[in-house]
Amino acid sequence: DQQVKQNSPSLSVQEGRISILNCDYTNSMFDYFLWYKKYPAEGPTFLISISSIKDKNEDGRFTVFLNKSAKHLSLHIVPSQPGDSAVYFCAASAKNTDKLIFGTGTRLQVFP
Amino acid sequence: DAGITQSPRHKVTETGTPVTLRCHQTENHRYMYWYRQDPGHGLRLIHYSYGVKDTDKGEVSDGYSVSRSKTEDFLLTLESATSSQTSVYFCAISESVLFPQHFGDGTRLSIL
Repeated sequence: DQQVKQNSPSLSVQEGRISILNCDYTNSMFDYFLWYKKYPAEGPTFLISISSIKDKNEDGRFTVFLNKSAKHLSLHIVPSQPGDSAVYFCAASAKNTDKLIFGTGTRLQVFP
Repeated sequence: DAGITQSPRHKVTETGTPVTLRCHQTENHRYMYWYRQDPGHGLRLIHYSYGVKDTDKGEVSDGYSVSRSKTEDFLLTLESATSSQTSVYFCAISESVLFPQHFGDGTRLSIL
């Protein structure tokens, strides 16, 4: 049972445009959400997070939106750059638990 | 970068042999985690530790054991490796459940 789902395995975006990566979850107890970025042969790198008390969090070119009623979060990258080409994982955790549940990842390719 | 070192970085071994992977941190973080990454599955938690000698199972713990005798080291052992355990293994650390996890660069394990 996949509690965190990233239904798009890949996404291709032109440099300078917006990249939107989506993530859906099923567990209503999740209250903390994160996005990680992963390059080949490296470990995932933390990008941005959001708590369930907020619906938006912004850090430079990266913005995460949370829609609790739809159990949906999205990561917006504006403007997209070739260096953003990587696999992006969303992850979630529930209050008072020690564990993160990861999605299956979306491969983003930003082309010139 | 968080001070996390995984060893070895690559290993090839045969079915039925024991294998131990090591994760070493210099951050003095309380929490340490072992994940495996497989195509179509994202990152799945194997075991984690919330203190010295305190460990708990993740979602894919069968066939794996762990030990943490010091704050800085977390060992993952495959007692009798099987081909289904061929994967990339990542260690992660965090200060607490309220903070993002930071990952090592992974160990690529091939079991023939």
